[in-house]
Amino acid sequence: NAGVTQTPKFQVLKTGQSMTLQCAQDMNHNSMYWYRQDPGMGLRLIYYSASEGTTDKGEVPNGYNVSRLNKREFSLRLESAAPSQTSVYFCASREPGQGYEQYFGPGTRLTVT
Amino acid sequence: RKEVEQDPGPFNVPEGATVAFNCTYSNSASQSFFWYRQDCRKEPKLLMSVYSSGNEDGRFTAQLNRASQYISLLIRDSKLSDSATYLCVVNGAAGNKLTFGGGTRVLVKP
Repeated sequence: NAGVTQTPKFQVLKTGQSMTLQCAQDMNHNSMYWYRQDPGMGLRLIYYSASEGTTDKGEVPNGYNVSRLNKREFSLRLESAAPSQTSVYFCASREPGQGYEQYFGPGTRLTVT
Repeated sequence: RKEVEQDPGPFNVPEGATVAFNCTYSNSASQSFFWYRQDCRKEPKLLMSVYSSGNEDGRFTAQLNRASQYISLLIRDSKLSDSATYLCVVNGAAGNKLTFGGGTRVLVKP
């Protein structure tokens, strides 16, 4: 039981390049989330998916797109990376009805030069 | 004003001492409250939920003060392994989303 997995762990991009961050969970959770964490700041919600087939914007969605591929997988895409997107990205999942605890993946450290 | 505010610290704590810190939240409709722990360069993990009546889990005690809109965390008999950043987390009336504070860093020293 791996919980929440994320790939890649580290990535360096040049400005304007695109990439997709992958997230998968094996806990059969309905809700999944993408956050970014910058130094000195809390986690900020980028997008979330309350259930398979639905996605909604969070606090900081600009510059990102998401896809809820199936119940297990929720990907985050940067179409044209900018230095302001340098951050640590965390994916999380949760099962509504089983409390509000979210389970986090190990994170992806992204640097945009 | 940020929705959830915390003193960033660090709180330098001698091993065996007690440390306490607060977190304030701005949305009076907030329903659920949590403390998460985050070790350096790791993902956040739930430490404990915070109930209206206050709750204790071993050396950790959490309190909620709805009137003044803050929650607190107290750590007794601090261990070196308690060194971490403690994130205050609030679930709003919308239900599905959590709002995180910036974290309070605690350093326990021998």
